[in-house]
This record gives sequence, C-alpha cells and structure tokens, in this order.
Amino acid sequence: AQSVTQPDIHITVSEGASLELRCNYSYGATPYLFWYVQSPGQGLQLLLKYFSGDTLVQGIKGFEAEFKRSQSSFNLRKPSVHWSDAAEYFCAVGRLTGGGNKLTFGTGTQLKVEL
Amino acid sequence: KAGVTQTPRYLIKTRGQQVTLSCSPISGHRSVSWYQQTPGQGLQFLFEYFSETQRNKGNFPGRFSGRQFSNSRSEMNVSTLELGDSALYLCASSLELGGGYEQYFGPGTRLTVT
Repeated sequence: AQSVTQPDIHITVSEGASLELRCNYSYGATPYLFWYVQSPGQGLQLLLKYFSGDTLVQGIKGFEAEFKRSQSSFNLRKPSVHWSDAAEYFCAVGRLTGGGNKLTFGTGTQLKVEL
Repeated sequence: KAGVTQTPRYLIKTRGQQVTLSCSPISGHRSVSWYQQTPGQGLQFLFEYFSETQRNKGNFPGRFSGRQFSNSRSEMNVSTLELGDSALYLCASSLELGGGYEQYFGPGTRLTVT
C-alpha cells in the first residue's frame, strides 16, 4: 500500500530565510507526487506536481521540489519565505488503480513564519 | 475558469440525521473525488467517480455513499450521522484527458454533528 511520511509536524522559520519541508513516500512503482497548501478554513491549493521527466519541478509562489527516487523523497523548497507562506503543507502520492485516481496524503507540516 | 465549488459551506446536524453534500467540478473535468479531513485522522480518501461510475472507494462504512451525474456534478450522502462524522469534507476534480491527473480541490463543507 502506498504511504506518505512528513516527519516534521511544525516548522518555524524567519521571514526571508530558506525553507525545506520533507516528504518520504512508499510506493511500488513510479509515483505521481504532489504538494498542496492549505490556509485555515480553506481547501487545498496545488503547489506543484511530479509525474515524470525532470526531477526538479517548479511550482507556484516560488516553490520547487526535487524527486529523489533513491531516497524515496520529494522535498519542497523555497529560497526566501514570505509571511504569507504561513499555512499547512501536505505532500501526497497519487495512484491510478484500475483506472481510478486516488491520493494518499501525509499528515501535514504546519509552517509558522516569524517576522 | 471557475474552480471547484461545494455547497453548503457549513452545516450543523444532529446525531442520527442524514446529510447530502454537493460538488460541482471544474468545467470539463470528468473525475470527482471526495476526502474527509479531521484533526485526528488527517485527510482520508472516501471515493472517486468518473463518468457516473464509482472507480475507487476508501475504508469508510456503508453510511457514506455518493453519486455522480451526467454533467459530472457529484453528491455525497452520510446517513445516520455520528459525532465522529464531524469533519471538513473536500471535493476534488481532475481532467484526466491527456494525463491531467492532478486534483483540484474545492473549499470544503464543514460538517458539525451534535
């Protein structure tokens, strides 16, 4: 069965500092990988996705993520964090089973930005 | 293009009642999925529909059901509500044509069961 681990429940960074959120996945084949962000009381917004090809993917809001098959990781990075980035971030692995499309999420990382 | 819309946004029900939540996908999207989000269990997959057929189902009791209409709009129903059903219910849609498998989420319906 597929699974996703986000080891950091909470992370605090200063505005302007760099950010890396960790994500490890377990999946038997080449996965589809995603990062979503959720602000309080809101739905999930897709930041970026990896299906195949270039292992460094660029997303919205200045975020990027790198797929490392050898480490089963898909860490999210941002070179300079803004106060508006404070939110909860979810890593997800997608699977097409019997033609179906299903996401398995990690438990999320709550990001706090200090001004 | 309009995003995924969900109605209602907030709902308060009493134990034992039933509830129906509605989701309208992004125009042209054919797949609709439902997820339950709670502080204790996180985000859990409920079910997925494509062309009015359920393709996937998560590990939820039979009280949770759904359907999809010919215009791709979807509804989910929870019967005999329990306190533990209090959650944010999220709907997501995906295009699927040409490999568009990423899912786009709506704002959710916050269900409170008292």
